[in-house]
Amino acid sequence: DAGVTQSPTHLIKTRGQQVTLRCSPKSGHDTVSWYQQALGQGPQFIFQYYEEEERQRGNFPDRFSGHQFPNYSSELNVNALLLGDSALYLCASRKQGVNTEAFFGQGTRLTVV
Amino acid sequence: GESVGLHLPTLSVQEGDNSIINCAYSNSASDYFIWYKQESGKGPQFIIDIRSNMDKRQGQRVTVLLNKTVKHLSLQIAATQPGDSAVYFCAESPGTASKLTFGTGTRLQVTL
Repeated sequence: DAGVTQSPTHLIKTRGQQVTLRCSPKSGHDTVSWYQQALGQGPQFIFQYYEEEERQRGNFPDRFSGHQFPNYSSELNVNALLLGDSALYLCASRKQGVNTEAFFGQGTRLTVV
Repeated sequence: GESVGLHLPTLSVQEGDNSIINCAYSNSASDYFIWYKQESGKGPQFIIDIRSNMDKRQGQRVTVLLNKTVKHLSLQIAATQPGDSAVYFCAESPGTASKLTFGTGTRLQVTL
């Protein structure tokens, strides 16, 4: 079992650009959540996807959007990048309806210059 | 890898001693609480969880205590080992299916 996998591991973008981050959930999981973790802080919830729909959303602007595919994998898109978007982006997956914890991937380190 | 939590509160413990990491949570409606361990360059790793109908839960070398009256959560690590060195986060949620709200984290340093 590969667990939650994210790609790429590191990324450097310029202000104003757009970025797409990818996540493959742990085998058997159908719910994917995305978190942003700034240096020195705890992860902040961005949104959650289940059955290819956004189910919950945190306090993030519309520049942050996502998608879930029929195979449960997910993408996080960020438009019009700002310097403040530099962070570790984490994907977490779980199985809906089952009382188990969320498993996290290793994250994608995004640097905006 | 990068450092996680450059300016976090730090707890230094000698190898073999017990560690206690504390967390205050804010939402009285939270029903589910989790402790995660995060090593440098890695994502958070589940340690132990507890639901609001319990006040104590034990795992292998770890114990979580929940005090709902004062909205306080603690993680106890027995016989702390060098491999326990990491940043520890508590997280709360209104349910297992819902978003997690993380605390600020505590860096645990294990000295030999």
